[in-house]
Amino acid sequence: DADVTQTPRNRITKTGKRIMLECSQTKGHDRMYWYRQDPGLGLRLIYYSFDVKDINKGEISDGYSVSRQAQAKFSLSLESAIPNQTALYFCATSDPGQGGNQPQHFGDGTRLSIL
Amino acid sequence: TQLLEQSPQFLSIQEGENLTVYCNSSSVFSSLQWYRQEPGEGPVLLVTVVTGGEVKKLKRLTFQFGDARKDSSLHITAAQPGDTGLYLCAGSWNAGKSTFGDGTTLTVKP
Repeated sequence: DADVTQTPRNRITKTGKRIMLECSQTKGHDRMYWYRQDPGLGLRLIYYSFDVKDINKGEISDGYSVSRQAQAKFSLSLESAIPNQTALYFCATSDPGQGGNQPQHFGDGTRLSIL
Repeated sequence: TQLLEQSPQFLSIQEGENLTVYCNSSSVFSSLQWYRQEPGEGPVLLVTVVTGGEVKKLKRLTFQFGDARKDSSLHITAAQPGDTGLYLCAGSWNAGKSTFGDGTTLTVKP
């Protein structure tokens, strides 16, 4: 079983719809992240959470919201989807470690298409 | 925002050739990670480098962290088709976040 599980893996929806992407992890990590990946643009941070009571905006948070329901669960919502939010979305986790140098562990992504 | 520039963006070579991918920044990072991503999957960690000047080897892959901890390189010796994929560098700092480069898409032809 995957350590970081994202659902759904693929989603096609229409402009204006509310979408929720879910992420669950069995790694026991406190830190969780949501990224989007567009061709040629690498990974861009949307939101991150260092524990259940902590939510922080990343570099591209506009149009998105998140909820950290438990240590193991971190969901990403698009309140009113628009076509330029079509992308590959990744959830990741990490352990604080020493000096914040711990790498991130990624799910297999959700491919979201907004028509 | 701390930026990481990767080069080249695309690289297509024949099996058996050597290659180097570069990751550069004007910022100092506490550590730098290299990831490899295959289609339909998330990035998978290859290595973390922490100390300026550090060199790490993973079979045919050699990773180097610059002395000033602002840049890194990935060198692959005798590339194989199985090395094909997207290579991403990510710089981390003590705030616990990472900044990713835009990636290098490597294609190794048999």
